[in-house]
This record gives sequence, C-alpha cells and structure tokens, in this order.
Amino acid sequence: SQKIEQNSEALNIQEGKTATLTCNYTNYSPAYLQWYRQDPGRGPVFLLLIRENEKEKRKERLKVTFDTTLKQSLFHITASQPADSATYLCALETGGFKTIFGAGTRLFVKA
Amino acid sequence: DAGVIQSPRHEVTEMGQEVTLRCKPISGHDYLFWYRQTMMRGLELLIYFNNNVPIDDSGMPEDRFSAKMPNASFSTLKIQPSEPRDSAVYFCASSLRTGGSNEQFFGPGTRLTVL
Repeated sequence: SQKIEQNSEALNIQEGKTATLTCNYTNYSPAYLQWYRQDPGRGPVFLLLIRENEKEKRKERLKVTFDTTLKQSLFHITASQPADSATYLCALETGGFKTIFGAGTRLFVKA
Repeated sequence: DAGVIQSPRHEVTEMGQEVTLRCKPISGHDYLFWYRQTMMRGLELLIYFNNNVPIDDSGMPEDRFSAKMPNASFSTLKIQPSEPRDSAVYFCASSLRTGGSNEQFFGPGTRLTVL
C-alpha cells in the first residue's frame, strides 16, 4: 500500500543548530514533493516544492533534497530559531493533482 | 486578497444533526480541496474540485458526507447525520495550477465537535 512516513513525532534542537527532517515514501512515483509548516490552531502554510528532476531546492534558511531512488526527501532548517518551532508536513502529489500528506514532525527549537 | 475563508470557525453539535461547513477560495484559483485533520489520522484529503467540478471524492468517508461547489467562489461540505467520530478540524484549501505547481493555500479550518 502507499505510505508516507516522517521521522519521529518530535525533534528537539538547540537554537542555531541545523534541523533535519525526513520524509520517506513507498509505492508512489510523485512528480512533486512539497513541504508545509503548520502552527497550532492554524492551517498548513506552503514552504517549498521540489520536482522529481530536481535534486535540491533552497529558500533562505530552508533546503530541501529529493532522492527518487531512495524515495526520500530531507528538509533542513539552518541556523534554527525558536520561531521555527512548528509542525512540518511533507506532501506528495500523486496522479491527477491529488495530494497526500505525511503525519508531520513537530520541531522544538530551544533558546 | 483575504485568503481562503472558512465558516464557522467552531461548530459544536449533537449526534444526528446536520452540519454544513463553508469555504470561499482565493479568487481566480481553479482547484479547491477539502481536508480533515485528526490526531490519529493526520491530514486526509476528502474531495477536490477543478473548475467547480468534483474530480476525486474517494476520500469521502461515507454517504453521510457530501460536498458541492455551485460556483467558483463558494463550496460546502455537509455531514448528515453527524456522528461523534466526525469530530475533527476541517480545512479547505485552494490552488492555481500554473507551471505544474500545486501550492495550496489553506483556510483557518473549522473545528467540529459532535457530542
């Protein structure tokens, strides 16, 4: 069956360090992979999209990699700040623009 | 643009009652998605529309759920009759399909509690 897994339910890191979140999938061949941020009581907010033919995408302190052989995406936040504390969701676009979301990883950045 | 608008923000109802959730997508967007989020199951796609036409409703849990999009600026998700297990946060999202991107803009959600 098709499955998306995000590593660990929670990740605790110290301010200034790099946070690395993992998204693994099985039985998909997605054309795109997206990362969203969700704060408590709010809807997800789009951060980055990476296409299957792209290895890496950057936006300010954010970096996403996409390895279609390993069926894995890594999401990095460099120089992390307490304001980066949130839940991060990866999402795969399957056929027909249908989007499937992972369960999310909660990130806590301590000052 | 005010973003995706959902109403009500909170709804508390009793089992067996009809519940209607409303969504106004971002003007000009051609896709609209309804999701349900719970702690146990995460964010699940229920149904999505393209240019007001339902494309995939395979995520709708059962016949008690129905969704309509009578025009480009309005959509409803109805649950009739409601059950306690329908308690969740329901999100509406819209997107404009350009260049292959499916960046979705989410509304603030409706927190539904069925007693």
